[in-house]
Amino acid sequence: KDQVFQPSTVASSEGAVVEIFCNHSVSNAYNFFWYLHFPGCAPRLLVKGSKPSQQGRYNMTYERFSSSLLILQVREADAAVYYCASCGGGKLIFGQGTELSVKP
Amino acid sequence: ETGVTQTPRHLVMGMTNKKSLKCEQHLGHNAMYWYKQSAKKPLELMFVYSLEERVENNSVPSRFSPECPNSSHLFLHLHTLQPEDSALYLCASSQDRGQGGETQYFGPGTRLLVL
Repeated sequence: KDQVFQPSTVASSEGAVVEIFCNHSVSNAYNFFWYLHFPGCAPRLLVKGSKPSQQGRYNMTYERFSSSLLILQVREADAAVYYCASCGGGKLIFGQGTELSVKP
Repeated sequence: ETGVTQTPRHLVMGMTNKKSLKCEQHLGHNAMYWYKQSAKKPLELMFVYSLEERVENNSVPSRFSPECPNSSHLFLHLHTLQPEDSALYLCASSQDRGQGGETQYFGPGTRLLVL
């Protein structure tokens, strides 16, 4: 079955580097997508690709079946849900989302 | 602001009601999607429309009925829902429905509560 797996929660402290891990069992998938979702707002794409990439404070690592989102210098305002997704068969398969908490 | 709007933002309905969710995208995209997001679960793809034609229906119960009158608008008609249908319903659009994984742009969602 095509599935994407990620931890349900991650805790961090301000200023740290946070890593959120994701892996998948999606057939013929080769892309990863990382979305940020604040409650009440539209989920927003942070970074995507089939190779390591960076967008501002967001780094994405890439392996064939796994990826990590690294958030540099994490802030309290980064507390949100982060979704990992992989593309298989022309559709995005999402994980359950990782809720990030950040202590001051 | 992602260019995808959804109304209403919140909806409470009884099990015998009929209501509709509306999604509009201002991005000139050709593909639109409905997702259901229940607490602590992955986003579940419900329907996909490409160029106003339904191209995917992920075994969604018939009490959910989508409609795509044009490439900018997508509706989800609801009738005789169950309490377990309470969830956040997200609409998304993408330029095309390619095989490589087009970036999808999401609306803010409609929070639905079925009593």
